[in-house]
Amino acid sequence: EDKVVQSPLSLVVHEGDTVTLNCSYEVTNFRSLLWYKQEKKAPTFLFMLTSSGIEKKSGRLSSILDKKELFSILNITATQTGDSAVYLCAVGHYKLSFGAGTTVTVRA
Amino acid sequence: GAVVSQHPSWVICKSGTSVKIECRSLDFQATTMFWYRQFPKQSLMLMATSNEGSKATYEQGVEKDKFLINHASLTLSTLTVTSAHPEDSSFYICSGRGGVDEQFFGPGTRLTVL
Repeated sequence: EDKVVQSPLSLVVHEGDTVTLNCSYEVTNFRSLLWYKQEKKAPTFLFMLTSSGIEKKSGRLSSILDKKELFSILNITATQTGDSAVYLCAVGHYKLSFGAGTTVTVRA
Repeated sequence: GAVVSQHPSWVICKSGTSVKIECRSLDFQATTMFWYRQFPKQSLMLMATSNEGSKATYEQGVEKDKFLINHASLTLSTLTVTSAHPEDSSFYICSGRGGVDEQFFGPGTRLTVL
């Protein structure tokens, strides 16, 4: 059975801090790892990673994948209150298996 | 681009009734759509994969006669919860497959069964 584990489950930081979210996986069919941000409603797409060691960046967010050690990290620098959300990691090949998510709370 | 809509966004129904949820890809053709449910403070659980013009593939433990899925066109898939019961109350989310593995999610439908 596919397994996607995210850590920590939740964290609280202050504006301006940097956060690092972890995602480890064990799946039978791997093709890509995706990160999503979920606020009140459905998840919004952040990154898709398919190759090891290549960092993807979008503004203050960045992510990297290690296919040998089977994990990925998502970094958010200079956090803002608008970054408060649940961050979901999903892994798969055609169908996605989701982790439980990390709840990030950024306090002003 | 890659916008998916869902309707309704929120529905309350009586136990025993059926509820239909629509999922539309607005600016792309989704040959494959996925249906998920999400309980409070839990992650998304895949219910079924819907391919245009063919029968849906259900995940283990999901009753196909209870959760009817129809994917009649490249832009529309529907999920009908038949004879809904309070335990079916959940947040139902659809997604359309855009690229190789990217999925773009609809805003979700919150179902409350009284």
